[in-house]
Amino acid sequence: NAGVTQTPKFRVLKTGQSMTLLCAQDMNHEYMYWYRQDPGMGLRLIHYSVGEGTTAKGEVPDGYNVSRLKKQNFLLGLESAAPSQTSVYFCASRTGGPYEQYFGPGTRLTVT
Amino acid sequence: DQQVKQNSPSLSVQEGRISILNCDYTNSMFDYFLWYKKYPAEGPTFLISISSIKDKNEDGRFTVFLNKSAKHLSLHIVPSQPGDSAVYFCAAQTNFGNEKLTFGTGTRLTIIP
Repeated sequence: NAGVTQTPKFRVLKTGQSMTLLCAQDMNHEYMYWYRQDPGMGLRLIHYSVGEGTTAKGEVPDGYNVSRLKKQNFLLGLESAAPSQTSVYFCASRTGGPYEQYFGPGTRLTVT
Repeated sequence: DQQVKQNSPSLSVQEGRISILNCDYTNSMFDYFLWYKKYPAEGPTFLISISSIKDKNEDGRFTVFLNKSAKHLSLHIVPSQPGDSAVYFCAAQTNFGNEKLTFGTGTRLTIIP
């Protein structure tokens, strides 16, 4: 099992450009999450999904959109990137039961 | 408002000694707590958890203590090893609306050989 994978690992964008981050999990997990990690801020929840076809806003959703068309994939989109979105983005997933979330390796995004 | 707080950004401990990482929370509805460990350039990995019906949970060198009246939990690592050097995040969850975790800001633990 690959667990949770994220594509790409690194990306540099110019202000105003758009991109999509892909998260895939092969554990048949119901719940999937997108977080961002910034220095001194811990992990902040952007959006999450409790099942295929569902999405919900987290703590810092502005400037991001998500889609969960397939159970195994959770996409995070930036329509018009801003320097404030420079961060490390983590995807996570879990089953409907125990609360432990399994994290991907992260995507380092720089917006200039 | 930071509902889960880790007030020590960093901690240095001699190899072989005990490491104690602390976490405080403000939301009395939290009833499940987790610790995650994160190495540079990797995602966080689950370490240990505790339910609010317990005050202690042990797994090998790692023990988590929960003091509900003080809204405080701590992670003890005994004995500390160089491989324990990492950032540790505390996280909490409520039973109601349990799809989300609230994370602390993390503590960077450095084990000195």
